[in-house]
Amino acid sequence: AQSVTQLDSQVPVFEEAPVELRCNYSSSVSVYLFWYVQYPNQGLQLLLKYLSGSTLVESINGFEAEFNKSQTSFHLRKPSVHISDTAEYFCAVSALAAGNKLTFGGGTRVLVKP
Amino acid sequence: EPEVTQTPSHQVTQMGQEVILRCVPISNHLYFYWYRQILGQKVEFLVSFYNNEISEKSEIFDDQFSVERPDGSNFTLKIRSTKLEDSAMYFCASSALGASTDTQYFGPGTRLTVL
Repeated sequence: AQSVTQLDSQVPVFEEAPVELRCNYSSSVSVYLFWYVQYPNQGLQLLLKYLSGSTLVESINGFEAEFNKSQTSFHLRKPSVHISDTAEYFCAVSALAAGNKLTFGGGTRVLVKP
Repeated sequence: EPEVTQTPSHQVTQMGQEVILRCVPISNHLYFYWYRQILGQKVEFLVSFYNNEISEKSEIFDDQFSVERPDGSNFTLKIRSTKLEDSAMYFCASSALGASTDTQYFGPGTRLTVL
């Protein structure tokens, strides 16, 4: 079975400051890693995912995440946040040997302050 | 851009009543899913569906739950006799393929409140 832990339930941050959202996972088999974002009153949207290859993956809106196998982590970062980045962020994994379901972390609510 | 839609956005029901939550997946997708999130808890997988059959279900998905694709566009989740603990946000998702690498596209959710 897989499990995902997001260490911070809420992260307040000032506009233009950097932010890091931490995600650790546990699995006995290889996993694929995802970050989803949920803006108010909307569904979860894929932000980025790691499948294989380069351990650093980037999104089109400036977020990046790095897969670290030895630390079983997939932390999400953005060097300079905008007010529009206020949302809840979910880390999730799927496993080749465990069907196609996603296992989610508890979510991190990011509040960007002016 | 195509999106997954869900109706209603909020459903209030009495304990013991049946509810049907509706979803319209992205039109060319083949795999469909239901997840739920109880307030303050993680998003949990309930069931996946492909080719008019359940392909996987979690322990949560007991005999009180059923899924159906009644026509070419809708995908429904039925709870036969709701319990207080069924109160949650229910998310529908779809994916083009069923691979573990495939992106799942989520709807905005239906908030179910059981009184």
